[in-house]
Amino acid sequence: NAGVTQTPKFQVLKTGQSMTLQCAQDMNHEYMSWYRQDPGMGLRLIHYSVGAGITDQGEVPNGYNVSRSTTEDFPLRLLSAAPSQTSVYFCASSRPAPGTQYFGPGTRLLVL
Amino acid sequence: GQQLNQSPQSMFIQEGEDVSMNCTSSSIFNTWLWYKQDPGEGPVLLIALYKAGELTSNGRLTAQFGITRKDSFLNISASIPSDVGIYFCAGPNPETSGSRLTFGEGTQLTVNP
Repeated sequence: NAGVTQTPKFQVLKTGQSMTLQCAQDMNHEYMSWYRQDPGMGLRLIHYSVGAGITDQGEVPNGYNVSRSTTEDFPLRLLSAAPSQTSVYFCASSRPAPGTQYFGPGTRLLVL
Repeated sequence: GQQLNQSPQSMFIQEGEDVSMNCTSSSIFNTWLWYKQDPGEGPVLLIALYKAGELTSNGRLTAQFGITRKDSFLNISASIPSDVGIYFCAGPNPETSGSRLTFGEGTQLTVNP
């Protein structure tokens, strides 16, 4: 099993550009989530999904969209990138409960 | 919203020393999780606690679920250089019926050989 995979590993964007961060898991997990990590602020939940076709907002959803058309994939879309979205983004998945989540390796995003 | 407060924020220790860190909440948690994040990697689950008073070990790591359900502790014995990283506590947020994980801000551990 590959676990949770994320692409790309690094990305540089200009303000106003859009992009999609990819996340996939091969563990048949129902629950998937996106976090951003900023220095001194731990991990903050952006969006999450409890199953295919169901998504919900986390603590910091503004500027991001998600969809969950399959169990395996949970892409995160930045609609119009802003410097405040410079961060490290982690995708995670788990069985129904959000507790024992498995994390991907992260995507490091720089918005100029 | 619900916050988990971790202390200390950072620790600088010598190899071989024992380490203690804790996590507190203003609300009751029914599950406490401890994760470690190596530099440049995603967090990895170390220990999960499900019952008040529970004490669980994973090698040199020991974690406890506080009896008030509002705190948890992680101890590392005889630290080694590969213990370096950020340690996070986390738990299903009771304010959202447990549908979201809340993370503490992390304890940055540095081990000097």
